[in-house]
Amino acid sequence: DSGVTQTPKHLITATGQRVTLRCSPRSGDLSVYWYQQSLDQGLQFLIQYYNGEERAKGNILERFSAQQFPDLHSELNLSSLELGDSALYFCASSVRPGVGTEAFFGQGTRLTVV
Amino acid sequence: ELKVEQNPLFLSMQEGKNYTIYCNYSTTSDRLYWYRQDPGKSLESLFVLLSNGAVKQEGRLMASLDTKARLSTLHITAAVHDLSATYFCAVGAYSGAGSYQLTFGKGTKLSVIP
Repeated sequence: DSGVTQTPKHLITATGQRVTLRCSPRSGDLSVYWYQQSLDQGLQFLIQYYNGEERAKGNILERFSAQQFPDLHSELNLSSLELGDSALYFCASSVRPGVGTEAFFGQGTRLTVV
Repeated sequence: ELKVEQNPLFLSMQEGKNYTIYCNYSTTSDRLYWYRQDPGKSLESLFVLLSNGAVKQEGRLMASLDTKARLSTLHITAAVHDLSATYFCAVGAYSGAGSYQLTFGKGTKLSVIP
């Protein structure tokens, strides 16, 4: 158990809908990262937060947004869902962003869009 | 843009044999990470390699880093079935925007057969 908690574990929803994925980082970690894992694209970095502020953006669609709250948990919001958004979404956390810091991954949320 | 290439992408090997997975990356970095992922599960951190020439070993797995060649290897010794999983390398580097990011390879799916 990495200490990073993601909910829900599984989510099935219809196209056009909106969902929210939640992540609680390890105790003491200030930085949260979101990744999307699909069969064709592999592991894609979406976005990173540090102590409530956005620090880096990767290949995140405009339909997706995220935030990190004062208690350091983070939410990833996915809207106007398309079939191609079906994937495993991982959250990872680290003490801080930067060189040498190790990121620990949660169990992931498997999103299926039908 | 940082590119990380792993090869092979698929590896089927017999129990007891040795093999090496290669991870090449395209830009200067001296931080490399290896992760293991079982089907439908999270990513488990295996090794963090922090400097040129670093070598780390855990059980039947040994990872090394050559920053001059921009190459890391994951060597498997006397493979056993329990090692069947997908192995990812990830490179840490600063992006053009000055933020530190992990970029993952596509993964090597290892199957160890009796």
